[in-house]
Amino acid sequence: NAGVMQNPRHLVRRRGQEARLRCSPMKGHSHVYWYRQLPEEGLKFMVYLQKENIIDESGMPKERFSAEFPKEGPSILRIQQVVRGDSAAYFCASSPPSGKSSYEQYFGPGTRLTVT
Amino acid sequence: KNQVEQSPQSLIILEGKNCTLQCNYTVSPFSNLRWYKQDTGRGPVSLTIMTFSENTKSNGRYTATLDADTKQSSLHITASQLSDSASYICVVSASGGYQKVTFGTGTKLQVIP
Repeated sequence: NAGVMQNPRHLVRRRGQEARLRCSPMKGHSHVYWYRQLPEEGLKFMVYLQKENIIDESGMPKERFSAEFPKEGPSILRIQQVVRGDSAAYFCASSPPSGKSSYEQYFGPGTRLTVT
Repeated sequence: KNQVEQSPQSLIILEGKNCTLQCNYTVSPFSNLRWYKQDTGRGPVSLTIMTFSENTKSNGRYTATLDADTKQSSLHITASQLSDSASYICVVSASGGYQKVTFGTGTKLQVIP
């Protein structure tokens, strides 16, 4: 049973380009969370999605950032017109649909975005 | 405002020694508290999870405690090993709607030979 998969693991973009980060949740998981971790800092919640729905995007900047979790395929975190301050590790986590087991979030290995 | 504070920020201990990491939170209404281990360059991995009614949970050499009255948790590591060197993150979830989580900034533990 594969864990949460993220790709790419490393992404380099020039200022002004777009970055697309992908997350495939664990099999059977329908909840996806995205977090950002700046160097030497803790993880910060960005957005929580269920299939085809954004449940909570209160941690995501209003501009340039968007997220989706389509019916088919991985969840995508999209950053348009990247700036140096977007350089960070972006982690995705997934959890099962409901019940106590939904407390547990399983994290992917992260995508390290570097903006030059 | 929901907050999770961890102490110490960093800690260096000798291999084989025990240590205790602290977590204080103000998250309300409380649902559950988790401790994660994050190795450098990797995603966090769950160590323990405790709900309101649980006050201790063990996972090998890791033992977590929870005092829901004082809103404190600790993670005790016994007989530390070099591989325990990592950041340990306390995560507290609020109930209601969905599991909205608040992360602590972590304790960076270094185990030296």
